[in-house]
Amino acid sequence: EAQLVESGGGLVQPGGSLRLSCAASGITVSSNYMTWVRQAPGKGLEWVSVLYGDGRSYYANSVKGRFSTSRDNSKNTLYLQMNSLTAEDTAVYYCARRVDTDSTCWFDSWGQGTLVSVSS
Amino acid sequence: SYELSQSLSVSVALGQTARITCGGNNIGTKDVHWYVQRPGQAPVLVIYKNTNRPSGTPERFSASNSGNTATLTISRAQGGDEADYYCQVWGNAPVFGGGTKLTVL
Repeated sequence: EAQLVESGGGLVQPGGSLRLSCAASGITVSSNYMTWVRQAPGKGLEWVSVLYGDGRSYYANSVKGRFSTSRDNSKNTLYLQMNSLTAEDTAVYYCARRVDTDSTCWFDSWGQGTLVSVSS
Repeated sequence: SYELSQSLSVSVALGQTARITCGGNNIGTKDVHWYVQRPGQAPVLVIYKNTNRPSGTPERFSASNSGNTATLTISRAQGGDEADYYCQVWGNAPVFGGGTKLTVL
């Protein structure tokens, strides 16, 4: 069974940067489609990014050019580097494994989330 | 981009059947997935590809998808079913509905 544990959240000033981590066990990060999904306070879920096993990554328009996702295979850990943060990025960030078929995808394992607050 | 619409809230009496809907243009042609998020917890997958239950999802949970509406049905509703429920599809990127808060009376 997959276990995903996020860390690295906290309070950051507008314009600042933060790096989130997602330590995985029970699955191999490099062999799966690993994603970040966020949830602003009191709001719904928003997909943020995906990192494929072959190294390709894709981002939501709202974070493109500011966020980047990477992994450390030796640590079996996924990262989300967030730059130029704004108040609109305030959210709980979840790491999740994405399962893909030819026509769809879903998220079958989730971490507990880490809170990012952007405020002066 | 593709949009999903969910009612903000649904109420159901204890032991009765709750139905949570997810609307989208010709959503019946897409595969719909459902998640439950209990207060203070991470989302959990309860239905994938319209009707499939992952191991751990009670048989009380079922779903259907046709036309412009997908429906998650929870039979014999329990207090522990009080939560937010989200639908999700693929629309050139993963798309989530806004979520429905289920209250068990």
